[in-house]
Amino acid sequence: NAGVTQTPKFRILKIGQSMTLQCTQDMNHNYMYWYRQDPGMGLKLIYYSVGAGITDKGEVPNGYNVSRSTTEDFPLRLELAAPSQTSVYFCASSPGTGSGYTFGSGTRLTVV
Amino acid sequence: GQSLEQPSEVTAVEGAIVQINCTYQTSGFYGLSWYQQHDGGAPTFLSYNGLDGLEETGRFSSFLSRSDSYGYLLLQELQMKDSASYFCAVYNQGGKLIFGQGTELSVKP
Repeated sequence: NAGVTQTPKFRILKIGQSMTLQCTQDMNHNYMYWYRQDPGMGLKLIYYSVGAGITDKGEVPNGYNVSRSTTEDFPLRLELAAPSQTSVYFCASSPGTGSGYTFGSGTRLTVV
Repeated sequence: GQSLEQPSEVTAVEGAIVQINCTYQTSGFYGLSWYQQHDGGAPTFLSYNGLDGLEETGRFSSFLSRSDSYGYLLLQELQMKDSASYFCAVYNQGGKLIFGQGTELSVKP
């Protein structure tokens, strides 16, 4: 059972480039989330989804976009990368409120 | 707005008991959760409190008081492997978690 799989694990982007962070879960969870974590800080919610076709903004959505065409996949798109987007990005899924989140192993992104 | 407060650092010795407190201000509160994160790793789920009271899972316990907007995580019989960051997080409407800044626990021999 793979759980939540994120790719890539590491990436270096130049300012202004774009990329998509991939996230796939095989637990049939309806809820999926994207967080970013800066060094020594807590996790900030970027976007979340309560089911296929439904997405909503979190605390820090600017500079990002998401889509949820299937239950399994929840990609995060960065357009026009900026140094402020240097962070570790975590994808997570859960079956619903009160249930623990299962996190992916993270994507370490550096924008130079 | 919403905010969570927890101590930034706690130090304890192996075999001891430590309590990490969390106070919160939020709208649409559904429950309080705790996560553990080792350096370089992903957060892992420890506990959830939807109702007032104590929840126990092995060496870890978590408490919630809704009237006081307060909770804590209690770790007993500390082991070196418990050295990690611990995050409290509140569930808001829509099943989304808002995390605190984290408490770094150092367990000394």
